[in-house]
Amino acid sequence: QSALTQPASVSGSPGQSITISCTGTDSDVGDYNYVSWYQHPPGKAPKLIIYEVSNRPSGVSNRFSGSKSGNTASLTISGLQAEDEADYYCNSYTRSSTYVFGTGTKVTV
Amino acid sequence: EVQLVESGGGLVQPGRSLRLSCTASGFTFGDYAMSWVRQAPGQGLEWVSFIRSKTYGEATGYAASVKGRFTMSRDDSKSIAYLQMNSLKTEDTAVYYCTRIRGLNIDYWGQGTLVTVSS
Repeated sequence: QSALTQPASVSGSPGQSITISCTGTDSDVGDYNYVSWYQHPPGKAPKLIIYEVSNRPSGVSNRFSGSKSGNTASLTISGLQAEDEADYYCNSYTRSSTYVFGTGTKVTV
Repeated sequence: EVQLVESGGGLVQPGRSLRLSCTASGFTFGDYAMSWVRQAPGQGLEWVSFIRSKTYGEATGYAASVKGRFTMSRDDSKSIAYLQMNSLKTEDTAVYYCTRIRGLNIDYWGQGTLVTVSS
């Protein structure tokens, strides 16, 4: 199972919006709506920010939003803030009943 | 509050074994599937394994990179999930995170435990 493809890095100025893509295949992203996104600050545990493509857990800012089209899922961060600097990973359930993570994207503000 | 605390990491020689533990609290452990995810130094996250709840027969699944070498189990009476790692390789060096699965979503994560495989 190959990792889902994400851009290595994305940057933006405070207040701007950025979008991170996550490209998989018909056997994972394209087959299920079980796509999640995680924020992983250095030295800390990853935190779930989007689940099932577009749902936000309680307590997560509405500046984070998710979507999916075909085999590609996307995470948008609007109103970018300094505290958003972290690594971001997508994840999908797969047809093989396993999970696969994305390659990770470093967000710089 | 959901808490997941990993233990059992350390330095081990190639070919040897190690068992990781994940002690859970703040939720009904037996109702949830659990999973392990690892991150090698300077690399991204890699899913390792899962174990479903007793309701689903405690079915397990493994990444191809560890299948046949790693075994996941659980003790619902103690709220602990285990990862037995055999025939360890240098490429298994990583921080290992215990995670909870809600539905088919990985939601909560522990702080991780470092496993170093080196001679």
